[in-house]
Amino acid sequence: QKEVEQNSGPLSVPEGAIASLNCTYSDRGSQSFFWYRQYSGKSPELIMFIYSNGDKEDGRFTAQLNKASQYVSLLIRDSQPSDSATYLCAVLISNFGNEKLTFGTGTRLTIIP
Amino acid sequence: DTEVTQTPKHLVMGMTNKKSLKCEQHMGHRAMYWYKQKAKKPPELMFVYSYEKLSINESVPSRFSPECPNSSLLNLHLHALQPEDSALYLCASSQEGQYYNSPLHFGNGTRLTVT
Repeated sequence: QKEVEQNSGPLSVPEGAIASLNCTYSDRGSQSFFWYRQYSGKSPELIMFIYSNGDKEDGRFTAQLNKASQYVSLLIRDSQPSDSATYLCAVLISNFGNEKLTFGTGTRLTIIP
Repeated sequence: DTEVTQTPKHLVMGMTNKKSLKCEQHMGHRAMYWYKQKAKKPPELMFVYSYEKLSINESVPSRFSPECPNSSLLNLHLHALQPEDSALYLCASSQEGQYYNSPLHFGNGTRLTVT
């Protein structure tokens, strides 16, 4: 089982709709969760981080964390063509006492005008 | 614009060359990282410096040699690389020591091509 799993997509969403990106993780003790956006050929850019169960909103973005079910999601409201990118989920996972930020393989999102 | 600055943006080097990648941050962050990213893959951790000390080396070949001259600077020295080392090399920093719940902030990366 992969430590952090994402659907690789591509996920196509009409402009103005809600894009929903999901991520599951294997380490039940993980406490820190991050979403990064990466445009083709560019570096990852931090979008959201969440540490507590529930929802965290920042503008058009909402991160949702459910530690009991071991999943974290990112919702993008009023999707824009500029949101088209790969979204990387990253989870801080303990490995033999050392913490390591582990990335999922990313979900490629395309917003259709 | 990113607050983590990497130079050069692009680098082409032969397998016998020696080159260095540089990274600088002035956010007062106490941890700095090197990642390698191949096309359509997630970033892979190479090295972590926490409070200027090397804390993680992810079994990276010795042809990659990191150096942290001070808390703001991070170098990656390259020697005798192979074509399969061609990738985007990303530097990142975080506010606290290694991880500790603080997000990573990435630089724009150096696109390395080994011929």
